[in-house]
Amino acid sequence: GDSVTQMEGPVTLSEEAFLTINCTYTATGYPSLFWYVQYPGEGLQLLLKATKADDKGSNKGFEATYRKETTSFHLEKGSVQVSDSAVYFCAGYSGNTPLVFGKGTRLSVIA
Amino acid sequence: GAVVSQHPSWVICKSGTSVKIECRSLDFQATTMFWYRQFPKQSLMLMATSNEGSKATYEQGVEKDKFLINHASLTLSTLTVTSAHPEDSSFYICSASGQLADYNEQFFGPGTRLTVL
Repeated sequence: GDSVTQMEGPVTLSEEAFLTINCTYTATGYPSLFWYVQYPGEGLQLLLKATKADDKGSNKGFEATYRKETTSFHLEKGSVQVSDSAVYFCAGYSGNTPLVFGKGTRLSVIA
Repeated sequence: GAVVSQHPSWVICKSGTSVKIECRSLDFQATTMFWYRQFPKQSLMLMATSNEGSKATYEQGVEKDKFLINHASLTLSTLTVTSAHPEDSSFYICSASGQLADYNEQFFGPGTRLTVL
């Protein structure tokens, strides 16, 4: 079945550092891909998405580009802030399947 | 954007009692709702998918008699944890998809933290 593999954390960065969290998706078709963010004690919020190859999702300074050849959707941010500390989940679906989540990557940003 | 609420946000109960968690789509009609369970520092585990007016589809390993799901209207789904035990303590998250969203784009509720003593 479909699966999502994302970089395991935790990731600890200093404020203003560059962030990359890798994500690849294995599916029979071409999935729609998402990044969700979960702040401590809260539910999930959609951060960005891409529904087809070469789409770039962006929001709050975060970006991810859907690379068809590698089925990758790596999350990047040029300059992280303390407020970005959270758990980030890569997810995707293809066809009529439910969302499949990666295991999550915990990001801690220190001042 | 579409808003999904959950109630209660946290609940503590005694072992053996039943607990009901509500999931509501506030500004759209949710034809499909999903229930997830999340253990500390782990990812979300899909428990079941429910479509309005029909029986829920449970994932393998999830006891349907233990976790009763009702999706009686286009804006409300409930999860009842029956005869709760300490091992049922977890963070339960619902999500909803419907007419305002792309197919299968899900909007998530804030979660309900259940602690069973």
